[in-house]
Amino acid sequence: RKEVEQDPGPFNVPEGATVAFNCTYSNSASQSFFWYRQDCRKEPKLLMSVYSSGNEDGRFTAQLNRASQYISLLIRDSKLSDSATYLCVVRNTGNQFYFGTGTSLTVIP
Amino acid sequence: GAGVSQSPSNKVTEKGKDVELRCDPISGHTALYWYRQSLGQGLEFLIYFQGNSAPDKSGLPSDRFSAERTGGSVSTLTIQRTQQEDSAVYLCASSWTGNGYTFGSGTRLTVV
Repeated sequence: RKEVEQDPGPFNVPEGATVAFNCTYSNSASQSFFWYRQDCRKEPKLLMSVYSSGNEDGRFTAQLNRASQYISLLIRDSKLSDSATYLCVVRNTGNQFYFGTGTSLTVIP
Repeated sequence: GAGVSQSPSNKVTEKGKDVELRCDPISGHTALYWYRQSLGQGLEFLIYFQGNSAPDKSGLPSDRFSAERTGGSVSTLTIQRTQQEDSAVYLCASSWTGNGYTFGSGTRLTVV
């Protein structure tokens, strides 16, 4: 079983829509959780960390459910510039990071 | 420097030749990772350095791949006798323990 699993999509949504991505992880001892964004032919960049209590950054909301071992990312009022691949990242004990394969989002005018 | 620096940004090499890819992590970051990403694919873990500990080499795909990190800073990934399937973007990332990490812009390797 993979350490981190994501629905690859693609998700094609109109501008202004709300879209949510989920990611599941297999190791219940996982310690830290992140969402990264990767634009085409660019390196991944940290979008936001995910905290147990959930956290929000503008139009982006991240949630962690430890009991079910999944994290989510909600994007409200989608912009064209949100089009990218969103990567779920989990850090286990020992400081090893595991990446999901990414979920592709295209926001359509 | 302010970010993770990788060189060269692009490398075209002939099949069978050796290549060296360099990564300069963010100063003070104790952890350094190498990943590769083939076109349209996810990130594939290669190797991980943490401080002075023995590196985690579990992701290296074959014995043609090796990496070292000198003085806890700069890292070099070496691919010997390159094959066409080695063509990919090689990404280096560094982190301060426990935090998310920062990627370099990668080296695009093309084996012809």
